Amino acid sequence: DTAVSQTPKYLVTQMGNDKSIKCEQNLGHDTMYWYKQDSKKFLKIMFSYNNKELIINETVPNRFSPKSPDKAHLNLHINSLELGDSAVYFCASSQGPYSNQPQHFGDGTRLSIL
Amino acid sequence: AQKVTQAQTEISVVEKEDVTLDCVYETRDTTYYLFWYKQPPSGELVFLIRRNSFDEQNEISGRYSWNFQKSTSSFNFTITASQVVDSAVYFCALSDALYTGANSKLTFGKGITLSVRP
Repeated sequence: DTAVSQTPKYLVTQMGNDKSIKCEQNLGHDTMYWYKQDSKKFLKIMFSYNNKELIINETVPNRFSPKSPDKAHLNLHINSLELGDSAVYFCASSQGPYSNQPQHFGDGTRLSIL
Repeated sequence: AQKVTQAQTEISVVEKEDVTLDCVYETRDTTYYLFWYKQPPSGELVFLIRRNSFDEQNEISGRYSWNFQKSTSSFNFTITASQVVDSAVYFCALSDALYTGANSKLTFGKGITLSVRP
C-alpha cells in the first residue's frame, strides 16, 4: 500500500494550459507539503498545510494554488503554465509540522511544458 | 537562515569500496534536526535517518553509518562495502524551529550523485 501517492506520474502539456496534480496520504499524518525539484535536482519547498490550513508559502507565483479538501489530500493547481514550470513536483507528509518529524515523499510528478 | 552544503557533486566508486558523503550545515537555532534522503534512479525520495542536535552519537545501520559532529557542523554519511544498488542521489537536509513556534521547513543540500560500478 502506497503511503503517499501522487497522480499523474507524468504530465506533458503546452504553455498556457492549466493543470492539476493530486496527492493523497494514508499515513494519518496532519501535515502535507509540496516541493519542486528542478533540472539540477535541487529540492525546494513550495507550500505546507497542517490540518487543511496553509502554514508555509514560499513566495511561489500566484499561478500555483494548493488546495487541501481534508488532511489526507493536498492538490496543486497550476494556471497558465510556463516553460520554467518544467520540473518534478513532490508531495510529502509528516505526522506534524514540527522539525523533528521526518517527511515521507511520494514518487513525484514529472511536469514537462512544451 | 539555515543552509546545507554538500560540496561533493558526483562520486564514482567501484563496488565494495567504502565511500563517505559529506554534509555541512548552518543554523542559528540550538535545536534542530538533520536528515538524509536517498533518491534512486527510479526517482522517489526515501527517508534514511534523522538525527537531533543533542545527540552526537554515531549511528550504524547495516552498511550505513552516520557521523554527527556539532563542533564542525557536519553530518557525514558513510557507506561501507558499496554495492551497485547504492547508486543514487543522496540529499542531506536540515530542519529547525522546533521551539520557536515557527513551522518547520526542510532545507535540502544540492545532493551528491553516487555511482557504484561493478
